[in-house]
Amino acid sequence: EAQVTQNPRYLITVTGKKLTVTCSQNMNHEYMSWYRQDPGLGLRQIYYSMNVEVTDKGDVPEGYKVSRKEKRNFPLILESPSPNQTSLYFCASSNRDRSTEAFFGQGTRLTVV
Amino acid sequence: GENVEQHPSTLSVQEGDSAVIKCTYSDSASNYFPWYKQELGKRPQLIIDIRSNVGEKKDQRIAVTLNKTAKHFSLHITETQPEDSAVYFCAATTWVTSGTYKYIFGTGTRLKVLA
Repeated sequence: EAQVTQNPRYLITVTGKKLTVTCSQNMNHEYMSWYRQDPGLGLRQIYYSMNVEVTDKGDVPEGYKVSRKEKRNFPLILESPSPNQTSLYFCASSNRDRSTEAFFGQGTRLTVV
Repeated sequence: GENVEQHPSTLSVQEGDSAVIKCTYSDSASNYFPWYKQELGKRPQLIIDIRSNVGEKKDQRIAVTLNKTAKHFSLHITETQPEDSAVYFCAATTWVTSGTYKYIFGTGTRLKVLA
């Protein structure tokens, strides 16, 4: 089954404790991206990647890191989480054609206390 | 930077009535305009899309129209049903540099269909 898989689904952590949210896709998509969803603000892009070892900042990259060492994986790293990073996060993938559907993961609800 | 504006933020309609959600985009080079539906607690999923070489597309009760000159596109849902209640996002894709692009989403519309 074609899918984007994120883990974990829910995470509660403390300020400053490094965490990683994993994202994996099995559709051989070139393009992968991370979004955060906050009430009234929609889906805001954090980082995106068109290829292995190529990553670009989205609209809200501060406080986040990503890596793309393999085509299928695109982890999101919070080196020192802060409460303002409490949000719902989605990973998505699509192929290299920009006129194409984005497939989303199940989402990760992160709470930083 | 490039952006997509979406209105209204909330919309309540009686079951059986029509619903219209509107979006405007800023990048005249955008050429792909998808609409996503997000049910409560679920991930966004594509319901319909339109490319810039087409003015209108319809899929059963759902239709999308595109006005390239005015840089706006709209989602039309006819004969609304309770299961249409969800958050709807419009989006546009725009080239950033040669070979890569960004997906830019609107801020979402919460549609409530009242039985």
